[in-house]
Amino acid sequence: DSGVTQTPKHLITATGQRVTLRCSPRSGDLSVYWYQQSLDQGLQFLIQYYNGEERAKGNILERFSAQQFPDLHSELNLSSLELGDSALYFCASSDSLLTSNTEAFFGQGTRLTVV
Amino acid sequence: KNQVEQSPQSLIILEGKNCTLQCNYTVSPFSNLRWYKQDTGRGPVSLTIMTFSENTKSNGRYTATLDADTKQSSLHITASQLSDSASYICVASGAGSYQLTFGKGTKLSVIP
Repeated sequence: DSGVTQTPKHLITATGQRVTLRCSPRSGDLSVYWYQQSLDQGLQFLIQYYNGEERAKGNILERFSAQQFPDLHSELNLSSLELGDSALYFCASSDSLLTSNTEAFFGQGTRLTVV
Repeated sequence: KNQVEQSPQSLIILEGKNCTLQCNYTVSPFSNLRWYKQDTGRGPVSLTIMTFSENTKSNGRYTATLDADTKQSSLHITASQLSDSASYICVASGAGSYQLTFGKGTKLSVIP
């Protein structure tokens, strides 16, 4: 158990809908990262928050947004869902920014299926 | 553009045998190289982290090597076990960057 909790584990929804994925980082970790893993693809970085502030953005669609709350949990909001958004969404956390030996711990992921 | 390429895409080995997985990266300026193990449908779990000045690092039966000059890394697994069946992902991080660049992974299957 990495200590990073993601809910829900599975989500099935229809095209055009909006969903919210939740991530609770390890106790004490200030940094949260979101990744998307489509079938047979590598993890793609979406966005990073550090202590409530957005620090880096990757290939995140405009239909997607995220935030980190004062209690350090984070939510990833996906709207106007398309079939191609079906993927595993992972959250990771670290105690600081990713310097040389900073460990990043991953949650078990949320499997999103858009039908 | 930062990229990480892994080979082979998949590998089948007999239980008890050794294997070596390869990784080439084009991340500049380079900071560190990580290997993760990912079981199907689960989150990646860290095996090793190496900075640009380290050549080798071990974690039990897993030994990673790094050649920062040729931008290559390898992960050697000795005396494989059935539980080693998973995807092994090479990840590179740039200096001053908060982002990890992931390879697509090598899918290892260990059979009895």
